[in-house]
Amino acid sequence: AQKVTQAQTEISVVEKEDVTLDCVYETRDTTYYLFWYKQPPSGELVFLIRRNSFDEQNEISGRYSWNFQKSTSSFNFTITASQVVDSAVYFCALSEAGFGNEKLTFGTGTRLTIIP
Amino acid sequence: NAGVMQNPRHLVRRRGQEARLRCSPMKGHSHVYWYRQLPEEGLKFMVYLQKENIIDESGMPKERFSAEFPKEGPSILRIQQVVRGDSAAYFCASSPAGRNFDNEQFFGPGTRLTVL
Repeated sequence: AQKVTQAQTEISVVEKEDVTLDCVYETRDTTYYLFWYKQPPSGELVFLIRRNSFDEQNEISGRYSWNFQKSTSSFNFTITASQVVDSAVYFCALSEAGFGNEKLTFGTGTRLTIIP
Repeated sequence: NAGVMQNPRHLVRRRGQEARLRCSPMKGHSHVYWYRQLPEEGLKFMVYLQKENIIDESGMPKERFSAEFPKEGPSILRIQQVVRGDSAAYFCASSPAGRNFDNEQFFGPGTRLTVL
């Protein structure tokens, strides 16, 4: 069975600080995908990144970066120089390889509050 | 190319009434997933459908809930005799037909159901 754990329920940081959101996953599949989504106060889900299990390269997109480590089954998300607009709930998710059923298993989310 | 559409965006029902939630996938997508997000929780998979077929309903409550995706028209998630515990945000996602190597899944804006 698949499982995603986001141990940090809530995090608050002062604007411009860096912050890392942790994600640990469990799966018996050798091929899988990992995702991060942002859910702002308005409620919609905003896709941030998708990473497959064969690609362990870290990724940077502007102020966002992701650290994927298969050895520790972690896919952590760092926001550099945080801004108030980053305040949201962030979800990490996992799915099996795309052979026709890519249902996502979500973590419980981390509520991030950026203090001005 | 319009994204995934869900309606209504907000739905209020009294206990015992029926709720019908609609999801129109992205153009060219024939796979639909429904997820439920209870207050202050992550999203939980409910059901995966292809046109005229239910592929995986392992996350659906055994009673009162049903889903369909007809040959023509949107996918419908139906909740009969709603109870207060059904109050949640219901998200629909769609993906392309066939083998989906990128596990792309596009989410709609959600329907917020409130049961009075």
